Amino acid sequence: DGGITQSPKYLFRKEGQNVTLSCEQNLNHDAMYWYRQDPGQGLRLIYYSQIVNDFQKGDIAEGYSVSREKKESFPLTVTSAQKNPTAFYLCASTLGAATTNEKLFFGSGTQLSVL
Amino acid sequence: SQQGEEDPQALSIQEGENATMNCSYKTSINNLQWYRQNSGRGLVHLILIRSNEREKHSGRLRVTLDTSKKSSSLLITASRAADTASYFCATAFSGNTPLVFGKGTRLSVIA
Repeated sequence: DGGITQSPKYLFRKEGQNVTLSCEQNLNHDAMYWYRQDPGQGLRLIYYSQIVNDFQKGDIAEGYSVSREKKESFPLTVTSAQKNPTAFYLCASTLGAATTNEKLFFGSGTQLSVL
Repeated sequence: SQQGEEDPQALSIQEGENATMNCSYKTSINNLQWYRQNSGRGLVHLILIRSNEREKHSGRLRVTLDTSKKSSSLLITASRAADTASYFCATAFSGNTPLVFGKGTRLSVIA
């Protein structure tokens, strides 16, 4: 089945620890995105990548880092600099690199909590 | 913020009734999209309406766009309990920028 796979579904972070959220897609999509969702809130863009080995900051990039070494993979690292990391993290992709007029395909999300 | 704003924040209706959600935005858009999210899940794309379109239909969904008022509405007709979810509008501005999401409307359909 084609789609976007996020893992793990639940993740716990200790204070001062970096954690990495995985996102893999087999849709052959060019662009990939990371969004953060807080309870009762909309989605806020963390980072996005329109092509391999390139990525851009979104609205709330501080405390996060990404890499795009392969077309199908876009992992997100939540660093210790992110002081309020508890949230639901969503990975998405679009077929084309041009974001206008593209619809997003989403993974099923990772819930990150702080111990 | 360029974020769209949905109204109402929450809506509770009986099965069989129609549900209407509204979205307002601040600047000119290229297109507007509606997404659905079941609790604890990812979002699913429902419909895209371009700035030169006024209305689109998809099954029981009807979306309208009024660019002069910078607003859109999503109508779900003959609602079912399975329609219970959060619904988000997302706006695409001119240029190569990612979608910007609103805070969503939480719809509860009571059987």
